[in-house]
Amino acid sequence: EDQVTQSPEALRLQEGESSSLNCSYTVSGLRGLFWYRQDPGKGPEFLFTLYSAGEEKEKERLKATLTKKESFLHITAPKPEDSATYLCAVLSYAGKSTFGDGTTLTVKP
Amino acid sequence: EAGVTQFPSHSVIEKGQTVTLRCDPISGHDNLYWYRRVMGKEIKFLLHFVKESKQDESGMPNNRFLAERTGGTYSTLKVQPAELEDSGVYFCASSHVGQSSGANVLTFGAGSRLTVL
Repeated sequence: EDQVTQSPEALRLQEGESSSLNCSYTVSGLRGLFWYRQDPGKGPEFLFTLYSAGEEKEKERLKATLTKKESFLHITAPKPEDSATYLCAVLSYAGKSTFGDGTTLTVKP
Repeated sequence: EAGVTQFPSHSVIEKGQTVTLRCDPISGHDNLYWYRRVMGKEIKFLLHFVKESKQDESGMPNNRFLAERTGGTYSTLKVQPAELEDSGVYFCASSHVGQSSGANVLTFGAGSRLTVL
């Protein structure tokens, strides 16, 4: 069975304090690894897709990386508006997406 | 482009009653998924439609849950009779089929919060 474990469960940062979120996964056949952002009362919103080990994607203050066993979401100099829950999901070749519990990020001004 | 819309946004019912949730996916998206988040835990897969066909319903918890997608457009998820443990947020997501960079990216609705008393 595919599994996704995210850590930490919650992360509190000061504005400008860089950090990383971890997503460890086991999947029968990785078709893609996805990062989503979820704000309270809303559905998850797509951030990145990574397809193979060594791949990196960047968007503003976020950078996602992928190895054969885990993915990291690096947040550089975060701002309060980056506060949200960040979800990692793996898509298998069977077409099923498995999500982690998410990391709730709070950035204090 | 209109996003994925879900209705109702919140439903409060008593144990034993019936509730029907509706999802309108993005036009042209053949893939439609239902997910559920219970008590702040991970988002769990319920089922997957490709057009009007059920591709995978392995996540459906029991036969009190019935999903339909007549005509391959909108979908409904009926819970009958509802139990306390069915409370949670039900998300619908859609994606398009293909090999382009946007394929397989899930676009989610805002969710339908179900509270069973």
